[in-house]
Amino acid sequence: AQRVTQPEKLLSVFKGAPVELKCNYSYSGSPELFWYVQYSRQRLQLLLRHISRESIKGFTADLNKGETSFHLKKPFAQEEDSAMYYCALGSNYKLTFGKGTLLTVNP
Amino acid sequence: ETGVTQSPTHLIKTRGQQVTLRCSSQSGHNTVSWYQQALGQGPQFIFQYYREEENGRGNFPPRFSGLQFPNYSSELNVNALELDDSALYLCASSLVGDNSPLHFGNGTRLTVT
Repeated sequence: AQRVTQPEKLLSVFKGAPVELKCNYSYSGSPELFWYVQYSRQRLQLLLRHISRESIKGFTADLNKGETSFHLKKPFAQEEDSAMYYCALGSNYKLTFGKGTLLTVNP
Repeated sequence: ETGVTQSPTHLIKTRGQQVTLRCSSQSGHNTVSWYQQALGQGPQFIFQYYREEENGRGNFPPRFSGLQFPNYSSELNVNALELDDSALYLCASSLVGDNSPLHFGNGTRLTVT
């Protein structure tokens, strides 16, 4: 069975500090990993996907198959990054989501 | 570009009743998926529809059913409501294709008393 684990329910950092949101997955096949974000009073939206290998809003995520991880990183957090972040694994037309990490960036 | 819209935004039902939730897909999208998000949890896959047929289903009982219409809008029907069905129900549309990015609606908050 596939599973996504986000070990941190809450993460608080100061503006300008580096941030890393952890995500580990369990899947027997070749995974496709995503990060979705939900800002306050907004809908859930795609932040980035590993096959794109791009940086969105300064965030990057590298798929580490050896460690089965897909951690989300940003070198300098901004207050507008405060949001709920969900890691998700895609397979067979469905997404399996983690429970999410609430990131708060303090001024 | 019109985004995914869901109705109603909130709904209160009694245990044992039936409910229908509605979703209009983003223009140009031909696939719709439904997710259930309980409080403090991530969204959980219910099912997906493509070409008006169920294309995949998560671990939900048959009392959860759906429809997709020729205009790609969709309904989620839940019969014999249980207290544990209280959750946020999210609709997401996409283009057909494995793991095509999902575009979510704002959800319908269902409360079962």
